[in-house]
Amino acid sequence: DIQMTQSPASLSASLGETISIECRASEDIYSNLAWYQQKSGKSPQLLIYAANRLQDGVPSRFSGSGSGTQYSLKISGMQPEDEGDYFCLQGSKFPWTFGGGTKLELK
Amino acid sequence: QVTLKESGPGILQPSQTLSLTCTFSGFSLSTYGMGVGWIRQPSGKGLEWLANIWWDDDKYYNPSLKNRLTISKDTSNNQAFLKITNVDTADTATYYCARSPPLSDYFDYWGQGVMVTVSS
Repeated sequence: DIQMTQSPASLSASLGETISIECRASEDIYSNLAWYQQKSGKSPQLLIYAANRLQDGVPSRFSGSGSGTQYSLKISGMQPEDEGDYFCLQGSKFPWTFGGGTKLELK
Repeated sequence: QVTLKESGPGILQPSQTLSLTCTFSGFSLSTYGMGVGWIRQPSGKGLEWLANIWWDDDKYYNPSLKNRLTISKDTSNNQAFLKITNVDTADTATYYCARSPPLSDYFDYWGQGVMVTVSS
């Protein structure tokens, strides 16, 4: 199975701050990576797919980058509504696997 | 508008079989390349992919659940199903179904989730 190592596990950011979350795959996943935001008590919402493609309706302050085994999600200008948990998902090979998650809080 | 909604028993006892239903609208599982998957999340923990079923009835399972999973679909009624046999307390979680858009490798729309508790 492909292991997805996500970091950091938690993060506190100030309003307007730019933050990054990383996912490292145990082997090349050829940009088959998606990022999700999950707010408390809600289901995950797709932010980014194919490593860097913004899902329709997602604010442009969210961006994704990376290739091979290293990927990152950037939020350019933290907003209060960005608080929540963030997960990456690799779909390169079955079984699909998620990163362990990052809890993002507003400082 | 794409929507998905999970339904299940709520609570069941160890060794029983868990049967989940995903009822969806706004797309068809007979569309070329379309898929539906099941994912679970224990309270306060991360996400675990369980299984996918595709428009052509191809199926993939998480091998960590050791042949306990069966995924199926009813295209005519826009439903997908998941059965987990021989449940135990470790299967207590919120279970989600989600759509995988045509010829893709991710989920774009998720249901609201259904909480399942395994307890004697």
